Parts: sequence; C-alpha cells; structure tokens
Amino acid sequence: DAKTTQPPSMDCAEGRAANLPCNHSTISGNEYVYWYRQIHSQGPQYIIHGLKNNETNEMASLIITEDRKSSTLILPHATLRDTAVYYCIALSWGGTASKLTFGTGTRLQVTL
Amino acid sequence: NAGVTQTPKFQVLKTGQSMTLQCAQDMNHEYMSWYRQDPGMGLRLIHYSVGAGITDQGEVPNGYNVSRSTTEDFPLRLLSAAPSQTSVYFCASSWAPSGGDTQYFGPGTRLTVL
Repeated sequence: DAKTTQPPSMDCAEGRAANLPCNHSTISGNEYVYWYRQIHSQGPQYIIHGLKNNETNEMASLIITEDRKSSTLILPHATLRDTAVYYCIALSWGGTASKLTFGTGTRLQVTL
Repeated sequence: NAGVTQTPKFQVLKTGQSMTLQCAQDMNHEYMSWYRQDPGMGLRLIHYSVGAGITDQGEVPNGYNVSRSTTEDFPLRLLSAAPSQTSVYFCASSWAPSGGDTQYFGPGTRLTVL
C-alpha cells in the first residue's frame, strides 16, 4: 500500500472549516484513500473513503485531485469535539489481506 | 449490535506473567486484527485473521499468539509479559476478508507490565 504524508499538527477555530491535506504521490490505481480519526486514545473511527471522485457524508467531505496524488479532508464546521488525530491511509481492496497501516497522522486542535 | 468489544479495559501485569486479551464482534465480520499503540505513535499491526481457523502475522508479532476458532472471537495471548509490551491494544474487524474495507475498532485495552 502507498505511503502517505500528513502535516503533524494543525489548528482550526471552532465553526470554521478544517482542511486536512494528505499526500499520496505513489498511490496505485486500485488503492482507495481512507480517513480515520482517533479522539483522545479511543479506538480509531472511520470517517470517509474514496477512489477518485469527491465524496461527502454526514461527517466530512473528501476531495481527491485528478491525478490522485493528494487529497483533502474537509470538516465543514469544526467543533471542539473534532479535536483528534486524523489518519490518511491508502488501501487496496481484494487480493491478499490488506494491512491497514497507520502513520502518525495530523493532530487537529479546534479552539474557541 | 454491540460492535467490537474488548476486555479487560485495564490490566497490570508483572514481568513474566501471561494473559489473554479478549476481542469479540457481533457483525459477522470475516477480518479481525490486533494493533498496539505506544504513546505518541501510530497503530502497529500485531496479528490478523481473514476467517475462522486462519491467522497471520503483522508488523510486530513477537511475544504474542492468536487463534480464531470462531468468526466472533479473536483473543490475543501474551506468553511471557515484558515491560516493552506496555501499550494500548486495539482490536478491529471488517466485513471484507481482505481487510480492505471500513474497519471497526474496539475501545482498547490499556496494559502495563511492571
């Protein structure tokens, strides 16, 4: 699975949009981009995933560039409860068992 | 659905003791896995299973054993605990046998080895 690169930390004011970037320049055609977050030592929580089209759900939006080498997770109206570590992962489906590999992620701090 | 459950939530062991961390899921997921997370670090895969009776090693398997006798349960055994195994342990499951699917995580077991 492709390696991903994220900034170690970001700040965001409550109520503003939080835009978390992720670089995955070596991603292959069958690899999806997944985002998880971990709130204060709880188990990681799935947020969203996509292949090449932009995706939106009740939690966030995912924007993937046309060349698929990078993506951005958008939390449209960040709240204090969104303070967490956010992980971007490239993962392929099918074939031999995938090994979900977490890097160190981006620590998002939402402030008043 | 209870999702993924883990017991115990906290455990303190002495060096050399053995114990089993329990993990169960009620979603009929084929894929289950164990991770450890050391302070300030990301998660590292210990062992995983793609179905009952099938297990394989992850990134950091030494000192741990697993078995998968049923679809629901995936216990992790520490054979002889060492201080280096002090960590938070997470169990996860997903529908796809390959694991390449949305993974659901348990709340974690916080283990301290003295």
